[in-house]
Amino acid sequence: DIQMTQSPSSLSASVGDRVNIKCRASQNIGAYLNWYSQKPGKAPNLLIFAAATLRSGAPSRFSGSGSGTDFTLTIDNVQPEDFATYFCQETSATLPGAFGGGTNLDMK
Amino acid sequence: EVSLVESGGGVVQPGGSLRLSCAASGFTFSDSTMHWVRQSPRRGLEWVSLISGDGSTTFYSESVRGRFVISRDNADNSLHLQMNSLRSEDSAFYYCASAVPMDYKLFDHWGLGTVVTVSS
Repeated sequence: DIQMTQSPSSLSASVGDRVNIKCRASQNIGAYLNWYSQKPGKAPNLLIFAAATLRSGAPSRFSGSGSGTDFTLTIDNVQPEDFATYFCQETSATLPGAFGGGTNLDMK
Repeated sequence: EVSLVESGGGVVQPGGSLRLSCAASGFTFSDSTMHWVRQSPRRGLEWVSLISGDGSTTFYSESVRGRFVISRDNADNSLHLQMNSLRSEDSAFYYCASAVPMDYKLFDHWGLGTVVTVSS
């Protein structure tokens, strides 16, 4: 089974900062990597799919990059509504795959 | 507006059963692949099961295969998860989610979830 490892597990930032969240797959998953955000008490929300495609309606300050085993979610100019937990998830096989353990982004 | 509302969660003893339901509205339910996804502090986010729009195809994660059964009723826009032989590790928030139209493996809209606690 493919394992997904995110780093860091928590991150503090100020409004206006640029932040990077990493996700590493235990084997090559091509570009089958997706990012979700989740706020406390809410369900996750799809942000980016296929490693770098921004979901319609998601703010353009979010971007994704990477392929193979190493991926990055970047938030440029962090806004107050961006403080949340971010999860990566691989979908390289026929069925939905593993999620990473999450990165909690909070306000510095 | 899309709405997914889960129900049926609760406290159950190990070995017991529960049936979760999800009421859907605001989209063409019969066209949508639907999923159950669960989340717990111990196991994180975990995909559980999916069912095709017409109900003819189902898949399960290894951790629940043989114990859980997913079903749907397109006549009343409802999704169900029959959970049998429950274990403590099945304790989690259970979400129903619709798939993104172009990629059945992506989770588009989610409900708010229902809590399942397996404990003696």
